[in-house]
Amino acid sequence: DGGITQSPKYLFRKEGQNVTLSCEQNLNHDAMYWYRQDPGQGLRLIYYSQIVNDFQKGDIAEGYSVSREKKESFPLTVTSAQKNPTAFYLCASRGPPGELFFGEGSRLTVL
Amino acid sequence: DAKTTQPTSMDCAEGRAANLPCNHSTISGNEYVYWYRQIHSQGPQYIIHGLKNNETNEMASLIITEDRKSSTLILPHATLRDTAVYYCIVRVLPDSNYQLIWGAGTKLIIKP
Repeated sequence: DGGITQSPKYLFRKEGQNVTLSCEQNLNHDAMYWYRQDPGQGLRLIYYSQIVNDFQKGDIAEGYSVSREKKESFPLTVTSAQKNPTAFYLCASRGPPGELFFGEGSRLTVL
Repeated sequence: DAKTTQPTSMDCAEGRAANLPCNHSTISGNEYVYWYRQIHSQGPQYIIHGLKNNETNEMASLIITEDRKSSTLILPHATLRDTAVYYCIVRVLPDSNYQLIWGAGTKLIIKP
């Protein structure tokens, strides 16, 4: 079935470590997005990519990095520079006529 | 993109219609109203969208007021599986960077 696959579902990290969250889609969508969600709040945009080899910062890009080497893949790295990384991370792609398709999310906890 | 205002939480009895309001008084003429829902610890799911006409699909109906300053999402026969947080978002189509404003949404609880 077509969709967005995020992994891992749960991830624990020690302070000072970088971690990479995977996001793969087989929907043939050009645009992909990474959001962060904190408890009881809405989604905030971290990075987005409209096309392969191009990406733009969202509202809260500091401490995060991304790459878009393939259309299907948009991994997010949470670096040690992110001061409060514990959160629920959501990857999405955009299909016509503009609706977002989300993955199941990755929950990151910093120990 | 314009900002939206939604009630924090609502209850509805199973089998009844759930009516979720959204205020978007600063909406501009080229902004669409979108609704998503998020079941606990899952990714949001698209429900429906509209510009100015009322819309209906297999999941819900969207009623937009004539002045477009508010809208209502209607789940005609709510089930327990409809318990979720519902987000109302307005955005321009097509947009260049998808800088959506996601509020806290409405937590809808369907009671047996």
